Amino acid sequence: RKEVEQDPGPFNVPEGATVAFNCTYSNSASQSFFWYRQDCRKEPKLLMSVYSSGNEDGRFTAQLNRASQYISLLIRDSKLSDSATYLCVVNKGKSTFGDGTTLTVKP
Amino acid sequence: DTEVTQTPKHLVMGMTNKKSLKCEQHMGHRAMYWYKQKAKKPPELMFVYSYEKLSINESVPSRFSPECPNSSLLNLHLHALQPEDSALYLCASSQGAGIGTDTQYFGPGTRLTVL
Repeated sequence: RKEVEQDPGPFNVPEGATVAFNCTYSNSASQSFFWYRQDCRKEPKLLMSVYSSGNEDGRFTAQLNRASQYISLLIRDSKLSDSATYLCVVNKGKSTFGDGTTLTVKP
Repeated sequence: DTEVTQTPKHLVMGMTNKKSLKCEQHMGHRAMYWYKQKAKKPPELMFVYSYEKLSINESVPSRFSPECPNSSLLNLHLHALQPEDSALYLCASSQGAGIGTDTQYFGPGTRLTVL
């Protein structure tokens, strides 16, 4: 079993849709959690940190469920510019990346 | 300003060449990282430097040799690479000691092709 597993995707959604990604992790002692966005042939960019209390940044909401060992990312009112690969990152001593979920938002 | 710079942007080298990748950050971050990323795969950690000392080496072949001349600079020296080493090499930095709890900020990467 991989340490960090993500929905394989790809997700193809119309503009304005709501889409959710999940990411599960195996190490219950993991300390910090992040979502990164990576555009084609570019570097990963931090989208948001993830906390148990949940956090929201505009159309994006991230949530951590320690009991079930998963993190989630919800994108509301999808835009064409949201098309990218979304990587979850779980940290325990070092960072472990999920394989990424590809999102394509279509007109 | 969360900026990490990397040079060169692209590099093509033969298997007998010696080259170096460079990374620089001026955010006062204490940890710096090298990652390797193949197409359609996530970044794979190679090395971590914490306070200018090598703290993690993920069993990387010796043909990759990292160096941290000072707290702002990180180099990756390349020698006798193989074609399968062709990839995007990403540098990152984080504010803390590199124990994996901090947010990492990535540079734009060097796209390496080994012929």
